[in-house]
Amino acid sequence: EPEVTQTPSHQVTQMGQEVILRCVPISNHLYFYWYRQILGQKVEFLVSFYNNEISEKSEIFDDQFSVERPDGSNFTLKIRSTKLEDSAMYFCASIPDRINTEAFFGQGTRLTVV
Amino acid sequence: AQSVAQPEDQVNVAEGNPLTVKCTYSVSGNPYLFWYVQYPNRGLQFLLKYITGDNLVKGSYGFEAEFNKSQTSFHLKKPSALVSDSALYFCAVRDTNAGNNRKLIWGLGTSLGVNP
Repeated sequence: EPEVTQTPSHQVTQMGQEVILRCVPISNHLYFYWYRQILGQKVEFLVSFYNNEISEKSEIFDDQFSVERPDGSNFTLKIRSTKLEDSAMYFCASIPDRINTEAFFGQGTRLTVV
Repeated sequence: AQSVAQPEDQVNVAEGNPLTVKCTYSVSGNPYLFWYVQYPNRGLQFLLKYITGDNLVKGSYGFEAEFNKSQTSFHLKKPSALVSDSALYFCAVRDTNAGNNRKLIWGLGTSLGVNP
């Protein structure tokens, strides 16, 4: 069964460093998302991506964040200068064109900023 | 504004007993509702969804949920709980307002504990 894959599973970085979280969505999906979850708490929407551009971003998604789909398969989230409060589990998700379909999630990347 | 509420942070039941995890929602238009489960240190797994049709929907691992339009609820249920059902459960609604977005709006999650 197709699945969304995320790498790495765990990333430890020093405050102020740049990190890139990688995702490979399911190949025929059209909508892509990043969500984050701090310490097993609420899942928060970060950004949605459709037709090669951001369709919506939350207040969390400030200038330190960016997303790219550089090669038609990978979908990356970049944090330019990490802060301690960026420590969280980051989930990538994708859905196909049908609005009645559930979102498919990757296993997540646990980002720890020290 | 669209929102999802899970009024209980924690639900505890004995193994073999029925369980209910509550969810209410507020949306404009027809709701697309979802339940996801998260086991410790794992990702989000889809359980079931309501889009249209029968109010009682069945999903994975013996779970079901009842859509109640008048009460704007979508409670998750299981007739007989297992210890292995212990996890964090999230209710979510799809944002149907934004054009090409379809993001999920999440409840705060309910931690389910099933005691042997």
